[in-house]
Amino acid sequence: SQTIHQWPATLVQPVGSPLSLECTVEGTSNPNLYWYRQAAGRGLQLLFYSVGIGQISSEVPQNLSASRPQDRQFILSSKKLLLSDSGFYLCAWNLGGDGHEGNTIYFGEGSWLTVV
Amino acid sequence: GEDVEQSLFLSVREGDSSVINCTYTDSSSTYLYWYKQEPGAGLQLLTYIFSNMDMKQDQRLTVLLNKKDKHLSLRIADTQTGDSAIYFCAEIRQNDYKLSFGAGTTVTVRA
Repeated sequence: SQTIHQWPATLVQPVGSPLSLECTVEGTSNPNLYWYRQAAGRGLQLLFYSVGIGQISSEVPQNLSASRPQDRQFILSSKKLLLSDSGFYLCAWNLGGDGHEGNTIYFGEGSWLTVV
Repeated sequence: GEDVEQSLFLSVREGDSSVINCTYTDSSSTYLYWYKQEPGAGLQLLTYIFSNMDMKQDQRLTVLLNKKDKHLSLRIADTQTGDSAIYFCAEIRQNDYKLSFGAGTTVTVRA
């Protein structure tokens, strides 16, 4: 069966410091990968998605970036964090393609980021 | 505005039924989803419905779909304290086949 893991689970970082959140998927190959952010009291915002190694699409311009160095690894980064980057970050995957199986998104456990 | 809209809060007494409503915009959406998020955790897929269905039942969960009005609802029968969570409605964006989520409905179950 497929599993998704992301880490760290909790992070407190000062303003201006760098960020690296990692996510890996096991049990499948060539998944679509996603990074979402959930700000306090708000819904989910899609930040980045990737349909393959080295292919990254950005939904919202900001000081975050994403990379996919391996097929099942997705990394969210920042060179200098802002206070507004605080939130709950969720990695997710799906198979892609048509139908319910391809479209359903499965989420990781989430990473709480507090920028102080 | 949001593609998918939900009311933000719902309070329900333990043992009663909960009904969470959602409206979406893309009439060509093929699948619509309900996810559950417990405090401090990721989102868990609860159920989905294909657009050619009006209703889907899965144990205590009933999903109703009104395609004409683009309205989706999730009914939880015999609501328990463990049902306290945020519930997200989602539709597939037909332009890029990615899920578009509502803001989530926080359900609070009171004794």
